[in-house]
Amino acid sequence: GENVEQHPSTLSVQEGDSAVIKCTYSDSASNYFPWYKQELGKGPQLIIDIRSNVGEKKDQRIAVTLNKTAKHFSLHITETQPEDSAVYFCAASITGNQFYFGTGTSLTVIP
Amino acid sequence: GAVVSQHPSRVICKSGTSVKIECRSLDFQATTMFWYRQFPKQSLMLMATSNEGSKATYEQGVEKDKFLINHASLTLSTLTVTSAHPEDSSFYICSAKGSLGANVLTFGAGSRLTVL
Repeated sequence: GENVEQHPSTLSVQEGDSAVIKCTYSDSASNYFPWYKQELGKGPQLIIDIRSNVGEKKDQRIAVTLNKTAKHFSLHITETQPEDSAVYFCAASITGNQFYFGTGTSLTVIP
Repeated sequence: GAVVSQHPSRVICKSGTSVKIECRSLDFQATTMFWYRQFPKQSLMLMATSNEGSKATYEQGVEKDKFLINHASLTLSTLTVTSAHPEDSSFYICSAKGSLGANVLTFGAGSRLTVL
């Protein structure tokens, strides 16, 4: 089955700096890659996603890149703010019926 | 956008009792719902996948007789933790997938179960 690895497990950045979280996947058939933000005591919320026919997608301060050849995708947050502090999960899906999650990255933005 | 409501958000129960958690899709029909368990500072562990009108598919190692899942309608799935014990204490999260935007997964806010 699919195996998703996520790095780093923790990340601290100064407010205003950029944060990058990377994930790799093992199954080349995966074609949908969402990113979720989870705040303490809450369920994950979708923040951005990318499909395999696209190499990059941007939404304001958040962007995701996908390299299908290398089987890795990354989340980029620019101009970080304290409210960006949360746990971020990447995921990979093949058919949309099964989602495989990374182990999470705890991001702390230092004011 | 798609909204999934999960209830209750917190529940405390005595050991040996059963607890039911509801997951509702409020503005879309959820053809598939997923139930996860999350331990502190860990990732989401998929427990089971349920499709409306059919039996849930449980992941390896998850006791189907202990974690009863019912997906009776296109907007409601329930997870019942039967004869709960302290080791069942955890954060349980549901997610739902509709037919539109087929791959998009929407999560509930989670339910914190504490078994005394």
